[in-house]
Amino acid sequence: DAGVIQSPRHEVTEMGQEVTLRCKPISGHNSLFWYRQTMMRGLELLIYFNNNVPIDDSGMPEDRFSAKMPNASFSTLKIQPSEPRDSAVYFCASKRPTGNEQFFGPGTRLTVL
Amino acid sequence: DQQVKQNSPSLSVQEGRISILNCDYTNSMFDYFLWYKKYPAEGPTFLISISSIKDKNEDGRFTVFLNKSAKHLSLHIVPSQPGDSAVYFCAASGGGSQGNLIFGKGTKLSVKP
Repeated sequence: DAGVIQSPRHEVTEMGQEVTLRCKPISGHNSLFWYRQTMMRGLELLIYFNNNVPIDDSGMPEDRFSAKMPNASFSTLKIQPSEPRDSAVYFCASKRPTGNEQFFGPGTRLTVL
Repeated sequence: DQQVKQNSPSLSVQEGRISILNCDYTNSMFDYFLWYKKYPAEGPTFLISISSIKDKNEDGRFTVFLNKSAKHLSLHIVPSQPGDSAVYFCAASGGGSQGNLIFGKGTKLSVKP
């Protein structure tokens, strides 16, 4: 079985550029989560979707960040414009309709110069 | 304000001995707790969990203990193996978290041969 798929695995961009991170959740999972990991703040939840609907986006740092889930098998996290302080590892995770366990993708390491 | 705290950023243990990783939480409404393991350049992977109605859950070499009155849980690994070297995250759900997981900042375990 394929796990959560994220692309790209690494992204290096310059300040001011638009960055789009992609996630494909595990088939049959109905919840999707976007996290950011930094040394200072650890793993922070940015936003999560249930049945493709955004439920809680209180963790999204500011208007430069946006996330969409157009269907059950795809989600994007967009940063526009990007800033050096956005440099971090971004994880996507998905969850079955029952249970509490979330299954994480391998992450996207973003570097904004 | 951190609701889930892992106060030891690192732990070093000799192979074959017991590893004890600790986690404290502040929200008494949390009802489910999980431990994740993370290797470098990979996403966190689910390890073991415990419901608040239990005080112990065991899975092979891994045992999680929950002390609700102290708002404390611990993960015991025995015997420890070099392959256990990773960052371990404690996470909690419930208590108004709306299905989210609230993560601690992690403890880096090093098991020396």
